[in-house]
Amino acid sequence: KQEVTQIPAALSVPEGENLVLNCSFTDSAIYNLQWFRQDPGKGLTSLLLIQSSQREQTSGRLNASLDKSSGRSTLYIAASQPGDSATYLCAAYTGANSKLTFGKGITLSVRP
Amino acid sequence: ETGVTQTPRHLVMGMTNKKSLKCEQHLGHNAMYWYKQSAKKPLELMFVYNFKEQTENNSVPSRFSPECPNSSHLFLHLHTLQPEDSALYLCASSPTGGFQETQYFGPGTRLLVL
Repeated sequence: KQEVTQIPAALSVPEGENLVLNCSFTDSAIYNLQWFRQDPGKGLTSLLLIQSSQREQTSGRLNASLDKSSGRSTLYIAASQPGDSATYLCAAYTGANSKLTFGKGITLSVRP
Repeated sequence: ETGVTQTPRHLVMGMTNKKSLKCEQHLGHNAMYWYKQSAKKPLELMFVYNFKEQTENNSVPSRFSPECPNSSHLFLHLHTLQPEDSALYLCASSPTGGFQETQYFGPGTRLLVL
């Protein structure tokens, strides 16, 4: 059974800092890994999707990497801004159960 | 209106009530999903519909009953719920339900069961 872990559960950083959010998964037989953003009281917004054959994806100040062999993914946020404050969730799509398995998320607070 | 919409946004119900959650997607997608997000727990997939047919039931109790009358609409009928069913219920859609697709989420319905 796939398990996805995100540690720490919460993170607070000053504005302008570059930061890395970590995600680990137990079953390396994934089809893809996705990063989502969730603002308080709202649904999820997809940020980046990395296929199993890819090593990384970039969108603006965001860069996500994937290392299947070690069961890890990271989301790198450059020059963080207060507007980046949100909960970031990673989810692995596993072929065995054909569904997305989510982590609990990391709640990020960027202080002005 | 665009994207995925959900109504109501907030719902309070007693354990003996019957209510329904509605989801509508304006993206032309053919796959729709119900997820449950409880406090302190990861997002859990409940049901998947693909071209109006249910393709996944993730061991969800029968007090939750989904309905998909067409590819644009998805309902979740609720009856005799328990307080532990209080959660944020999220609807999502994707083009065909394939693993390579991004899912698009609605804003959710915050449910409180008293």
